[in-house]
Amino acid sequence: AQSVAQPEDQVNVAEGNPLTVKCTYSVSGNPYLFWYVQYPNRGLQFLLKYITGDNLVKGSYGFEAEFNKSQTSFHLKKPSALVSDSALYFCAVRDIHGDYKLSFGAGTTVTVRA
Amino acid sequence: NAGVTQTPKFRVLKTGQSMTLLCAQDMNHEYMYWYRQDPGMGLRLIHYSVGEGTTAKGEVPDGYNVSRLKKQNFLLGLESAAPSQTSVYFCASSYPPESSYEQYFGPGTRLTVT
Repeated sequence: AQSVAQPEDQVNVAEGNPLTVKCTYSVSGNPYLFWYVQYPNRGLQFLLKYITGDNLVKGSYGFEAEFNKSQTSFHLKKPSALVSDSALYFCAVRDIHGDYKLSFGAGTTVTVRA
Repeated sequence: NAGVTQTPKFRVLKTGQSMTLLCAQDMNHEYMYWYRQDPGMGLRLIHYSVGEGTTAKGEVPDGYNVSRLKKQNFLLGLESAAPSQTSVYFCASSYPPESSYEQYFGPGTRLTVT
């Protein structure tokens, strides 16, 4: 079985401050990990993914995520948050030797205040 | 490219009514998926398809049927709608996931069953 936990329902930060959205995962084997963002009344947009190799992955809009195998975590980060980063963020995992399905976390609502 | 499109965008049904949600993609993706999104629960996979003419059950398939008669289209049907099916429905598509490709999402259909 595979699963994702996003321990924070909401994250509030001031514009210009660092932003971190936490994600931990559970898979039987090795993971493929993804971050998606959802703006109000829109579908999910892909931000970045970890497949293999460098543990620090860079993605769209200045976001990056760090894969930590020992802590089974894949936290999303942005050094300087913008008001326009306010959205719902989803972490997702798939076991590379499993079936085709992605398992999503419950989502974290990020609010960046001006 | 339009990407992944969904029709309709909104729908209100009475209990017991039926409807079909249409998903279309123009990226020549083999794999297509239907998810439902409920508050605090992330996205849950309803059904998916690994190619034209094939479908398979996901995590929450009860009360839904699907068809993939053409590669570019994936239909989700509700034969007898229930209030528990009030949700936002997302379609997604991807290249073969064993290659670690991300999924591309449509804008969603907001369904209310009264």
